[in-house]
Amino acid sequence: EPEVTQTPSHQVTQMGQEVILRCVPISNHLYFYWYRQILGQKVEFLVSFYNNEISEKSEIFDDQFSVERPDGSNFTLKIRSTKLEDSAMYFCASSETRQQMVGGYTFGSGTRLTVV
Amino acid sequence: KNQVEQSPQSLIILEGKNCTLQCNYTVSPFSNLRWYKQDTGRGPVSLTIMTFSENTKSNGRYTATLDADTKQSSLHITASQLSDSASYICVVTGAGNTGKLIFGQGTTLQVKP
Repeated sequence: EPEVTQTPSHQVTQMGQEVILRCVPISNHLYFYWYRQILGQKVEFLVSFYNNEISEKSEIFDDQFSVERPDGSNFTLKIRSTKLEDSAMYFCASSETRQQMVGGYTFGSGTRLTVV
Repeated sequence: KNQVEQSPQSLIILEGKNCTLQCNYTVSPFSNLRWYKQDTGRGPVSLTIMTFSENTKSNGRYTATLDADTKQSSLHITASQLSDSASYICVVTGAGNTGKLIFGQGTTLQVKP
């Protein structure tokens, strides 16, 4: 079964450093998403991406965040200057259509980001 | 504000027993509702998905119901197994948006032998 692959599985970084989280969505999917989950809290939407541009972003997704699809297969989330409160599990997801009804809205296993 | 609320927050049951988890949502307009299972430290895995016109959907021992009029859903787990121990999350998609999912806080289920 096709999977969304995320790397690394765990990243530790110092406050103020830049991090790039990487995702390889399912190959025939057209919509890409980042979500995050702070420990003990609910999963929160960050951003959706379609046709090489952001289609929606949440208030969490401020100027410190950016997304990119650099080579047609990878989908990355960059945090420019990490803060302690950025520590969370970051999930990438992809879907074939916007309102994917038959499975297809698939999450990766996540990257646990720890900012120290 | 579009919200998804779940109850109970946590639940402990004995192996082999059944249980029902509840979800209320205020998302409008509404497109579909999903139930996900999330193991600790892992990504959510889809169990069921229903549109507003569907009342029930089954996936093995999981049966989800939906009442779009009262904006309520439930997930019934039959003959629980130890491997069912996880967080069960109700997730709603609004109509006409960009595919953004709105998550509930989840119900943590622990199945004991």
